Amino acid sequence: IAGITQAPTSQILAAGRRMTLRCTQDMRHNAMYWYRQDLGLGLRLIHYSNTAGTTGKGEVPDGYSVSRANTDDFPLTLASAVPSQTSVYFCASSDSGGSPYNEQFFGPGTRLTVL
Amino acid sequence: GQNIDQPTEMTATEGAIVQINCTYQTSGFNGLFWYQQHAGEAPTFLSYNVLDGLEEKGRFSSFLSRSKGYSYLLLKELQMKDSASYLCAVMDSNYQLIWGAGTKLIIKP
Repeated sequence: IAGITQAPTSQILAAGRRMTLRCTQDMRHNAMYWYRQDLGLGLRLIHYSNTAGTTGKGEVPDGYSVSRANTDDFPLTLASAVPSQTSVYFCASSDSGGSPYNEQFFGPGTRLTVL
Repeated sequence: GQNIDQPTEMTATEGAIVQINCTYQTSGFNGLFWYQQHAGEAPTFLSYNVLDGLEEKGRFSSFLSRSKGYSYLLLKELQMKDSASYLCAVMDSNYQLIWGAGTKLIIKP
């Protein structure tokens, strides 16, 4: 593994189903983030974690949950998917959250379609 | 509210220079980032400004004026591979990034 990986690459999901998007980084970064990217809108922060064992809500957290059991993994769960959650989801990490100048490194993204 | 504004799309010619502007209104300021995103790919870091002035990095330069809430990204000697979206993002008082919608740059031969 080099950098950040995300799985699956893409997924078509029926509304009402539960789905977990996986994210793993091998850079030993403390902070990790989940964003969604929709056409015509900027990246919007869903949830973040400044260090293992802690999580926080971003701009659009409703319908999503996260956990951070260890430094490397930061899964995002949709408990009951709805069509408005159709989007491209990016996981990112940085050396340290809660401080200035921390370049975020992004995973390749997961394209999710909810029908 | 927090707001980042940048043009939706720009077109430029190979070999030329292009300036992409970004204006912002945020709750606090802990620096401004520029990222490049090719279609279907992840954003990648280009530059960071926290003090007023120009930061130069090869063909790319980024300028910041905190008093005006304004930044620009300057791309020189444009190449076809520079065709991408350029994202402006501001780190707010909570150290979270607020993102603009991005500027799609089209390079023509």
